[in-house]
Amino acid sequence: AQSVTQLGSHVSVSEGALVLLRCNYSSSVPPYLFWYVQYPNQGLQLLLKYTTGATLVKGINGFEAEFKKSETSFHLTKPSAHMSDAAEYFCAVSDQRTGGFKTIFGAGTRLFVKA
Amino acid sequence: DTAVSQTPKYLVTQMGNDKSIKCEQNLGHDTMYWYKQDSKKFLKIMFSYNNKELIINETVPNRFSPKSPDKAHLNLHINSLELGDSAVYFCASNQGLADTDTQYFGPGTRLTVL
Repeated sequence: AQSVTQLGSHVSVSEGALVLLRCNYSSSVPPYLFWYVQYPNQGLQLLLKYTTGATLVKGINGFEAEFKKSETSFHLTKPSAHMSDAAEYFCAVSDQRTGGFKTIFGAGTRLFVKA
Repeated sequence: DTAVSQTPKYLVTQMGNDKSIKCEQNLGHDTMYWYKQDSKKFLKIMFSYNNKELIINETVPNRFSPKSPDKAHLNLHINSLELGDSAVYFCASNQGLADTDTQYFGPGTRLTVL
């Protein structure tokens, strides 16, 4: 069975500092990996995804993530945090079934950005 | 234009009542989902439908009954509401069955059972 672990339920950074949100996965087949962001009182929206090919994936709002198979990781980074980045971030892995589609979400990491 | 919409946004009701949440997507997607997000923000899939047919049912109590009148709509009916049903329910959709498809989420329905 596939699973996702996000290390740290809360991360706090200063504005302008590096953002690093950690995600490790387990999967018996090549995974497809996603990062979603949820702003307060809103639904989730996709930041970026890894399917195949280049292991460094760039997403919206200056975020990027690197798929490291040897470490089973897909950490999310941003060089310089902005106040508007404060939100809940979810790492997810997909689990393809015959005739179906299922995404497993991590527990989420709340990012706080201090002025 | 709203891609995935849900109604109502907030729902407060008493234990034992029956309620419905509606979801509509105007993206032309084939697959729709219901997720439950608990108070700790944990997000868990409940159901998925593809072209009006049930694909995934994640061991959800049979008090929950999804209905898809057409592929643009997936409604969720809940019978005999319990306190533990309080959560935010998200509808989502994507184009098809491929794992690489991005899911588009609705704004959520916050259900409070008193």
